[in-house]
Amino acid sequence: AQKVTQAQTEISVVEKEDVTLDCVYETRDTTYYLFWYKQPPSGELVFLIRRNSFDEQNEISGRYSWNFQKSTSSFNFTITASQVVDSAVYFCALSEAERGSTLGRLYFGRGTQLTVWP
Amino acid sequence: EPEVTQTPSHQVTQMGQEVILRCVPISNHLYFYWYRQILGQKVEFLVSFYNNEISEKSEIFDDQFSVERPDGSNFTLKIRSTKLEDSAMYFCASSDSPRRYGYTFGSGTRLTVV
Repeated sequence: AQKVTQAQTEISVVEKEDVTLDCVYETRDTTYYLFWYKQPPSGELVFLIRRNSFDEQNEISGRYSWNFQKSTSSFNFTITASQVVDSAVYFCALSEAERGSTLGRLYFGRGTQLTVWP
Repeated sequence: EPEVTQTPSHQVTQMGQEVILRCVPISNHLYFYWYRQILGQKVEFLVSFYNNEISEKSEIFDDQFSVERPDGSNFTLKIRSTKLEDSAMYFCASSDSPRRYGYTFGSGTRLTVV
Protein backbone atom coordinates (compact mmCIF):
# COMPACT_ATOMS: atom_id res chain seq x y z
CA ALA A 1 0.00 0.00 0.00
CA GLN A 2 1.14 3.51 -0.74
CA LYS A 3 2.17 5.47 2.30
CA VAL A 4 1.69 8.75 0.47
CA THR A 5 -0.97 9.26 -2.16
CA GLN A 6 -1.13 12.24 -4.46
CA ALA A 7 -4.20 11.50 -6.49
CA GLN A 8 -3.79 14.44 -8.85
CA THR A 9 -1.28 13.52 -11.51
CA GLU A 10 -1.52 16.78 -13.42
CA ILE A 11 -3.19 20.11 -12.79
CA SER A 12 -3.37 23.05 -15.17
CA VAL A 13 -4.44 26.51 -14.10
CA VAL A 14 -4.27 29.98 -15.50
CA GLU A 15 -2.09 32.56 -13.80
CA LYS A 16 -3.64 34.18 -10.73
CA GLU A 17 -5.90 31.24 -10.02
CA ASP A 18 -5.63 29.50 -6.67
CA VAL A 19 -4.73 25.83 -6.75
CA THR A 20 -4.71 23.10 -4.10
CA LEU A 21 -2.55 20.02 -4.31
CA ASP A 22 -3.82 17.07 -2.31
CA CYS A 23 -1.77 14.69 -0.21
CA VAL A 24 -3.10 11.77 1.81
CA TYR A 25 -0.78 9.69 3.93
CA GLU A 26 -0.94 6.43 5.81
CA THR A 27 1.00 5.52 8.93
CA ARG A 28 0.56 3.70 12.22
CA ASP A 29 3.11 5.84 13.99
CA THR A 30 1.93 8.56 16.31
CA THR A 31 5.04 10.58 15.63
CA TYR A 32 5.77 11.35 12.02
CA TYR A 33 6.82 14.17 9.76
CA LEU A 34 5.35 15.44 6.55
CA PHE A 35 7.14 17.36 3.84
CA TRP A 36 6.48 19.12 0.57
CA TYR A 37 9.15 19.43 -2.09
CA LYS A 38 9.10 21.27 -5.39
CA GLN A 39 10.88 19.90 -8.44
CA PRO A 40 11.20 22.52 -11.18
CA PRO A 41 12.09 21.54 -14.75
CA SER A 42 15.78 21.82 -13.88
CA GLY A 43 15.32 18.71 -11.73
CA GLU A 44 16.50 19.60 -8.25
CA LEU A 45 14.37 18.99 -5.17
CA VAL A 46 13.54 22.17 -3.34
CA PHE A 47 12.35 21.92 0.25
CA LEU A 48 9.13 23.82 0.96
CA ILE A 49 7.88 22.76 4.37
CA ARG A 50 8.22 20.21 7.15
CA ARG A 51 5.46 19.50 9.64
CA ASN A 52 5.45 17.15 12.63
CA SER A 53 2.41 15.13 13.64
CA PHE A 54 1.86 17.06 16.84
CA ASP A 55 1.55 20.39 15.17
CA GLU A 56 -1.75 20.73 13.38
CA GLN A 57 -1.57 24.46 12.97
CA ASN A 58 -1.94 25.53 9.42
CA GLU A 59 0.94 27.46 7.98
CA ILE A 60 1.14 30.30 5.55
CA SER A 61 4.27 31.47 3.80
CA GLY A 62 3.61 34.18 1.29
CA ARG A 63 1.41 32.72 -1.43
CA TYR A 64 1.83 29.21 -0.05
CA SER A 65 -0.30 27.64 2.65
CA TRP A 66 -0.60 24.17 4.08
CA ASN A 67 -3.59 22.50 5.69
CA PHE A 68 -2.73 19.56 7.95
CA GLN A 69 -5.69 17.48 9.14
CA LYS A 70 -4.89 14.36 11.15
CA SER A 71 -8.54 13.32 11.17
CA THR A 72 -8.42 12.75 7.42
CA SER A 73 -4.67 12.01 7.19
CA SER A 74 -4.23 14.83 4.75
CA PHE A 75 -1.62 17.51 4.25
CA ASN A 76 -2.80 19.69 1.41
CA PHE A 77 -0.88 22.51 -0.20
CA THR A 78 -2.47 25.62 -1.65
CA ILE A 79 -0.86 28.18 -3.90
CA THR A 80 -2.73 31.46 -3.98
CA ALA A 81 -2.60 33.67 -7.07
CA SER A 82 -0.47 31.18 -8.98
CA GLN A 83 2.34 32.32 -11.24
CA VAL A 84 4.05 30.77 -14.24
CA VAL A 85 7.16 30.19 -12.10
CA ASP A 86 5.12 27.87 -9.89
CA SER A 87 5.04 25.35 -12.73
CA ALA A 88 6.80 22.26 -11.39
CA VAL A 89 6.23 18.82 -9.99
CA TYR A 90 5.29 18.91 -6.33
CA PHE A 91 6.00 15.98 -4.06
CA CYS A 92 4.51 15.22 -0.68
CA ALA A 93 6.63 12.97 1.57
CA LEU A 94 6.34 11.18 4.90
CA SER A 95 8.97 10.23 7.46
CA GLU A 96 8.01 7.88 10.26
CA ALA A 97 9.60 7.97 13.72
CA GLU A 98 9.52 4.25 14.28
CA ARG A 99 10.88 2.89 17.48
CA GLY A 100 14.51 1.98 17.22
CA SER A 101 14.82 3.26 13.77
CA THR A 102 15.78 4.23 10.83
CA LEU A 103 16.85 7.85 10.81
CA GLY A 104 13.97 9.11 8.85
CA ARG A 105 13.70 7.50 5.47
CA LEU A 106 11.36 9.56 3.29
CA TYR A 107 8.40 8.00 1.50
CA PHE A 108 7.42 10.12 -1.47
CA GLY A 109 4.14 10.36 -3.28
CA ARG A 110 4.10 10.13 -7.06
CA GLY A 111 3.98 13.88 -7.44
CA THR A 112 1.60 16.34 -9.03
CA GLN A 113 2.66 18.15 -12.18
CA LEU A 114 1.39 21.71 -11.91
CA THR A 115 1.32 23.82 -15.05
CA VAL A 116 0.46 27.47 -14.74
CA TRP A 117 -0.43 29.15 -18.03
CA PRO A 118 0.07 32.86 -18.61
CA GLU B 1 23.32 28.88 2.46
CA PRO B 2 25.13 25.52 2.77
CA GLU B 3 24.58 23.12 -0.08
CA VAL B 4 24.87 19.45 -0.87
CA THR B 5 27.03 19.16 -3.98
CA GLN B 6 26.76 16.31 -6.43
CA THR B 7 29.10 15.50 -9.28
CA PRO B 8 28.85 14.91 -12.13
CA SER B 9 25.52 16.47 -13.03
CA HIS B 10 25.14 14.07 -15.93
CA GLN B 11 26.91 10.80 -16.63
CA VAL B 12 26.54 8.47 -19.56
CA THR B 13 27.89 4.97 -19.22
CA GLN B 14 27.76 1.71 -21.10
CA MET B 15 25.81 -1.20 -19.74
CA GLY B 16 28.00 -3.38 -17.55
CA GLN B 17 30.35 -0.58 -16.56
CA GLU B 18 30.94 0.56 -13.02
CA VAL B 19 29.97 4.09 -12.05
CA ILE B 20 30.65 6.14 -8.96
CA LEU B 21 28.38 9.03 -8.12
CA ARG B 22 29.86 11.58 -5.78
CA CYS B 23 28.32 13.78 -3.15
CA VAL B 24 29.73 16.33 -0.74
CA PRO B 25 27.23 16.70 2.11
CA ILE B 26 26.93 19.78 4.26
CA SER B 27 29.96 19.80 6.53
CA ASN B 28 28.39 19.38 9.97
CA HIS B 29 25.79 16.85 8.87
CA LEU B 30 26.03 13.27 10.10
CA TYR B 31 23.19 11.51 8.27
CA PHE B 32 23.46 10.75 4.60
CA TYR B 33 21.06 9.32 2.05
CA TRP B 34 20.77 8.30 -1.55
CA TYR B 35 17.50 8.42 -3.44
CA ARG B 36 16.74 7.80 -7.07
CA GLN B 37 14.06 8.95 -9.47
CA ILE B 38 13.41 7.10 -12.69
CA LEU B 39 12.25 9.58 -15.31
CA GLY B 40 8.70 10.72 -14.67
CA GLN B 41 8.29 8.61 -11.56
CA LYS B 42 8.42 9.17 -7.84
CA VAL B 43 11.52 9.60 -5.77
CA GLU B 44 12.56 6.33 -4.12
CA PHE B 45 14.75 5.72 -1.10
CA LEU B 46 17.89 3.69 -1.67
CA VAL B 47 20.01 3.83 1.48
CA SER B 48 20.75 5.76 4.63
CA PHE B 49 24.17 6.00 6.25
CA TYR B 50 25.26 7.07 9.69
CA ASN B 51 28.36 6.59 11.80
CA ASN B 52 30.21 5.03 8.89
CA GLU B 53 27.73 2.29 8.27
CA ILE B 54 24.49 1.64 6.45
CA SER B 55 21.46 2.24 8.67
CA GLU B 56 18.79 1.10 6.29
CA LYS B 57 18.54 0.04 2.69
CA SER B 58 15.60 -0.54 0.42
CA GLU B 59 14.86 -3.57 -1.72
CA ILE B 60 16.27 -1.64 -4.66
CA PHE B 61 19.70 -1.44 -3.03
CA ASP B 62 20.97 -4.88 -3.99
CA ASP B 63 24.49 -6.26 -4.20
CA GLN B 64 25.23 -4.12 -7.23
CA PHE B 65 25.12 -1.02 -5.08
CA SER B 66 27.50 0.13 -2.39
CA VAL B 67 28.11 3.35 -0.49
CA GLU B 68 31.19 4.75 1.09
CA ARG B 69 32.42 7.79 2.94
CA PRO B 70 36.05 7.51 1.94
CA ASP B 71 37.56 10.64 3.38
CA GLY B 72 35.23 12.35 5.82
CA SER B 73 33.80 14.77 3.29
CA ASN B 74 32.68 12.77 0.27
CA PHE B 75 29.81 10.30 0.21
CA THR B 76 29.76 8.01 -2.81
CA LEU B 77 27.33 5.62 -4.44
CA LYS B 78 28.86 2.90 -6.57
CA ILE B 79 26.97 0.77 -9.05
CA ARG B 80 29.15 -2.18 -9.98
CA SER B 81 27.71 -3.34 -13.26
CA THR B 82 25.15 -0.93 -14.60
CA LYS B 83 21.96 -2.06 -16.25
CA LEU B 84 19.67 -0.10 -18.54
CA GLU B 85 17.11 0.14 -15.75
CA ASP B 86 19.62 1.97 -13.56
CA SER B 87 19.10 5.02 -15.74
CA ALA B 88 17.65 7.60 -13.37
CA MET B 89 18.32 10.78 -11.46
CA TYR B 90 20.23 10.02 -8.29
CA PHE B 91 19.87 12.42 -5.38
CA CYS B 92 22.11 12.66 -2.38
CA ALA B 93 20.74 14.17 0.83
CA SER B 94 22.18 15.00 4.20
CA SER B 95 20.91 16.13 7.58
CA ASP B 96 22.13 16.97 11.05
CA SER B 97 18.84 15.93 12.62
CA PRO B 98 16.45 14.40 10.13
CA ARG B 99 13.34 14.53 12.24
CA ARG B 100 13.92 17.99 13.57
CA TYR B 101 15.20 19.75 10.51
CA GLY B 102 14.51 17.56 7.53
CA TYR B 103 16.92 16.96 4.75
CA THR B 104 18.89 18.97 2.24
CA PHE B 105 19.02 17.44 -1.21
CA GLY B 106 21.68 17.91 -3.82
CA SER B 107 20.83 18.86 -7.39
CA GLY B 108 21.12 15.28 -8.55
CA THR B 109 23.18 13.27 -11.01
CA ARG B 110 21.39 12.12 -14.12
CA LEU B 111 22.74 8.69 -14.99
CA THR B 112 22.10 7.37 -18.47
CA VAL B 113 23.02 3.76 -19.20
CA VAL B 114 23.29 2.92 -22.89
